[in-house]
Amino acid sequence: SQTIHQWPATLVQPVGSPLSLECTVEGTSNPNLYWYRQAAGRGLQLLFYSVGIGQISSEVPQNLSASRPQDRQFILSSKKLLLSDSGFYLCAWSVRWGQAGNQPQHFGDGTRLSIL
Amino acid sequence: SQQGEEDPQALSIQEGENATMNCSYKTSINNLQWYRQNSGRGLVHLILIRSNEREKHSGRLRVTLDTSKKSSSLLITASRAADTASYFCATPITRSNQFYFGTGTSLTVIP
Repeated sequence: SQTIHQWPATLVQPVGSPLSLECTVEGTSNPNLYWYRQAAGRGLQLLFYSVGIGQISSEVPQNLSASRPQDRQFILSSKKLLLSDSGFYLCAWSVRWGQAGNQPQHFGDGTRLSIL
Repeated sequence: SQQGEEDPQALSIQEGENATMNCSYKTSINNLQWYRQNSGRGLVHLILIRSNEREKHSGRLRVTLDTSKKSSSLLITASRAADTASYFCATPITRSNQFYFGTGTSLTVIP
């Protein structure tokens, strides 16, 4: 069966510090991968998605970046965090395009990021 | 945009009652999905209904889709305290690999 792992679960970082959040998927190949941010009591904002290794699409201009060094690994990074980067970050996967719109997304348990 | 917006934003009911949440969207879709999110956790897929379906059941869940009104509803029957969570509808964005998630309905089931 497929599983998705995100870490860390919680993170407290000072303003201006770097960030690296990691997400890995097991049990499937060639998934679409997604990073979302969720503000408190709000919906999900799509940040990045990837359809393959090294292929990253950005939805929101910001000081965050994403990379996909391996097929089932997705990393969210920042060189200098801002206060506004606080939030709940969720990674998700779905089957590759061709059927992606007709398939569910599968989410990790998220990382709670607090910027001080 | 193909926004899916849930209504109401918050709902509080007694255990055993039914809970109904609604979702409206703006453009044509080929399917609509409902997700559940427990506090502090990731989203869990509940059910997918295709545009050619009007109603779908899964256990205590019943989902309807009215493409003429661009709306969907999620009914949870005989609610339990464990159903307390936020519920989101999601619509795929045409010709992309993306989904749009609404802002969710926060359901509280009082024991």
